[in-house]
Amino acid sequence: GIQVEQSPPDLILQEGANSTLRCNFSDSVNNLQWFHQNPWGQLINLFYIPSGTKQNGRLSATTVATERYSLLYISSSQTTDSGVYFCAVEGIKAAGNKLTFGGGTRVLVKP
Amino acid sequence: DAGVTQSPTHLIKTRGQQVTLRCSPKSGHDTVSWYQQALGQGPQFIFQYYEEEERQRGNFPDRFSGHQFPNYSSELNVNALLLGDSALYLCASSLAPAGIYEQYFGPGTRLTVT
Repeated sequence: GIQVEQSPPDLILQEGANSTLRCNFSDSVNNLQWFHQNPWGQLINLFYIPSGTKQNGRLSATTVATERYSLLYISSSQTTDSGVYFCAVEGIKAAGNKLTFGGGTRVLVKP
Repeated sequence: DAGVTQSPTHLIKTRGQQVTLRCSPKSGHDTVSWYQQALGQGPQFIFQYYEEEERQRGNFPDRFSGHQFPNYSSELNVNALLLGDSALYLCASSLAPAGIYEQYFGPGTRLTVT
């Protein structure tokens, strides 16, 4: 099946700093989503971005499908940005819309 | 617009017991998928239901079974619980298993097996 790798695994930021999270995947995809998992376990949808660039406030994402990677940018980080960020993809060869998740990037924003 | 809901929030069971978890999809969605998330890992796909049938299944034993009702809600059943079944169980909903629709997740059920 499709493989998803996220980097870095851990990230410690000072409040106000900018950061870039990366997601590499091993095959063509129909779907790519970025999620933020809060301390209670809720997965919050950040972006649905199988290709192209999107922005939502201080967050933006870019997926270069031909090169099989996606980037999530966090600007002017805040302590509420802490948590685990997951990239999840649906391989083009997969039936239905089963998501395969990366291992996540654990972000800690210090005040 | 009601999001994905799951019940119960937390559950403690003993090895060998059986458990049923419940999920109601986001309004307007007809497809439900279940995921298991062990501590410190990303969610793993268990199975997906569409039109009351299991459409896809991940690498999970037959102890894991499910059901989808005519109103699109779904249940996940786990028999003969093992300690390793302790995890956060997440339900996701989407509109049709077409591969082009965003999935939305519920808050999860945290299962502890003792």
